[in-house]
Amino acid sequence: DSGVTQTPKHLITATGQRVTLRCSPRSGDLSVYWYQQSLDQGLQFLIQYYNGEERAKGNILERFSAQQFPDLHSELNLSSLELGDSALYFCASSVAYRTSGTGELFFGEGSRLTVL
Amino acid sequence: GQQLNQSPQSMFIQEGEDVSMNCTSSSIFNTWLWYKQEPGEGPVLLIALYKAGELTSNGRLTAQFGITRKDSFLNISASIPSDVGIYFCAGPDSNYQLIWGAGTKLIIKP
Repeated sequence: DSGVTQTPKHLITATGQRVTLRCSPRSGDLSVYWYQQSLDQGLQFLIQYYNGEERAKGNILERFSAQQFPDLHSELNLSSLELGDSALYFCASSVAYRTSGTGELFFGEGSRLTVL
Repeated sequence: GQQLNQSPQSMFIQEGEDVSMNCTSSSIFNTWLWYKQEPGEGPVLLIALYKAGELTSNGRLTAQFGITRKDSFLNISASIPSDVGIYFCAGPDSNYQLIWGAGTKLIIKP
């Protein structure tokens, strides 16, 4: 158990819909990262928040947005969903503002999104 | 931008065999990380390397930080069924964001 909690574990929805994925980081971790993993693909970095502020942006579509709340949990909002958005979405957390020291990210179990 | 090239993309091996995989880049990295993702789970850090030439073990796993700082290797000795999964290398770029390899999928032949 990494200590990172993601909900929901599975989500099935239709094209054009909007969904929200939720992540609670490990206790004490201030950084939250979101990654997308399509079937048999690598990890695509979407966005990072640190202590409520956006820290870094990766290949995140304009239809996607995220935020980190004062209690440090984070939500990833995916809108106008397309078939190609079907993927595993991982949240990870770390203590630091940047990947330094061990560079260790702690990953949740992921939210599997299926768009029909 | 910086990229990490992992090879092989996948490996089919017999239980008990040794496994080798590597990660290369055209850029220098100051840290190399090896993660493992088991089916249905998120990646978990296996080994972290911080110095060129460093050799670090974690049980049957051994990883090396290449002396050019542009590559790293992961070896698994005497593979067992629970070794199946995807192995990722990663390293921080100049902005301290992790760059990830595409992964090596390890499959053990029955």
